[in-house]
Amino acid sequence: SAVISQKPSRDICQRGTSLTIQCQVDSQVTMMFWYRQQPGQSLTLIATANQGSEATYESGFVIDKFPISRPNLTFSTLTVSNMSPEDSSIYLCSVSSAAGYIFEQYFGPGTRLTVT
Amino acid sequence: AQTVTQSQPEMSVQEAETVTLSCTYDTSESDYYLFWYKQPPSRQMILVIRQEAYKQQNATENRFSVNFQKAAKSFSLKISDSQLGDAAMYFCAYQRTQGGSEKLVFGKGMKLTVNP
Repeated sequence: SAVISQKPSRDICQRGTSLTIQCQVDSQVTMMFWYRQQPGQSLTLIATANQGSEATYESGFVIDKFPISRPNLTFSTLTVSNMSPEDSSIYLCSVSSAAGYIFEQYFGPGTRLTVT
Repeated sequence: AQTVTQSQPEMSVQEAETVTLSCTYDTSESDYYLFWYKQPPSRQMILVIRQEAYKQQNATENRFSVNFQKAAKSFSLKISDSQLGDAAMYFCAYQRTQGGSEKLVFGKGMKLTVNP
């Protein structure tokens, strides 16, 4: 399985500012995913990031609010823009890794964001 | 759209006992994958076990096993000989096999407490 790191692990931000979260993988992967986990809730997919193409966003998430970069096969960033207290969540990146013919997803440790 | 339901928000079990976590899902597809993930307080999502829908045999990983009932669209997780380290949130997840999308659809999760 892939080893995934995220930076920062947590942050407290003022409303109206932006935060960029980094996700680094120890091996080359095709697909990376960004999820949001609001307090006490399940994970919701924000977008899928493939290297060399625009990210694909899920319903309810837009590029202007959550711009994503995927410059190479081991790295991605998610920016949370113009933050409000409603953006307070854990943000997790995951990667898809082939296990035989199945693509299993492995997750980073998450970034806990608090917006005041 | 696929949906995943975990109807029990919390459960508790005595150490060394067995506990079963329930999950149901809704899909019109015949081929797919199902997963159980564990999220301890460290918030790291850990893949526990997976099941391919085309396989009749239930998956087993050490103390973890599933009861996969395809016709009933049920996918329960059994934890045998429960240990204190099993205390966590458990999420059931569905993954399509078609269309090139590997995104996961998660249930709401269930909090498992292990009592010494």
